[in-house]
Amino acid sequence: GAVVSQHPSWVICKSGTSVKIECRSLDFQATTMFWYRQFPKQSLMLMATSNEGSKATYEQGVEKDKFLINHASLTLSTLTVTSAHPEDSSFYICSAAGVSYEQYFGPGTRLTVT
Amino acid sequence: AQSVTQLGSHVSVSEGALVLLRCNYSSSVPPYLFWYVQYPNQGLQLLLKYTTGATLVKGINGFEAEFKKSETSFHLTKPSAHMSDAAEYFCAVRENSGYSTLTFGKGTMLLVSP
Repeated sequence: GAVVSQHPSWVICKSGTSVKIECRSLDFQATTMFWYRQFPKQSLMLMATSNEGSKATYEQGVEKDKFLINHASLTLSTLTVTSAHPEDSSFYICSAAGVSYEQYFGPGTRLTVT
Repeated sequence: AQSVTQLGSHVSVSEGALVLLRCNYSSSVPPYLFWYVQYPNQGLQLLLKYTTGATLVKGINGFEAEFKKSETSFHLTKPSAHMSDAAEYFCAVRENSGYSTLTFGKGTMLLVSP
């Protein structure tokens, strides 16, 4: 149990376009979802925390107008990178937590902006 | 505030040798402690966790870790390394209350040579 999926696993987009990444909890209800960013050979950096039906809470230094997070249901959260630029290229990982508070991680999405 | 320090960005062992990955934490409240493994281009997989109770925690793939409050440590060990253990390992801490965030260490890359 406690499976989290992400889609797509890999995406290439052109500079200036927007890209949406989905995070789904497949077999449990996730009241809270987390979005992380990971640069090559570095640790995970928390970007934002979202509770179902509420606005996301962004970490300091993360542009909320650039990284739009929606958590419309108990099984789905989306991260939209708006007007993407090459410096947004990274590995994005989501996690989901239910009543146990424990975070279960998705497999990640590799974003490349050309 | 909480923090995690992982000593050594890279650890190299021979196949069959003891694996020791070091993790020290700081937390103002009793912590929950985690070890995760990440294979290239994949998400995080939970190896083991300490919440309460027994301080020696056994996880998957033969790994174990011991919570030592007096040393504020949670080192990860495995008696005999396998080639398949080569991966990035992250230690993480969070407060033992609700949806508090995970704080990750910078990670240790485990290299296993034949």
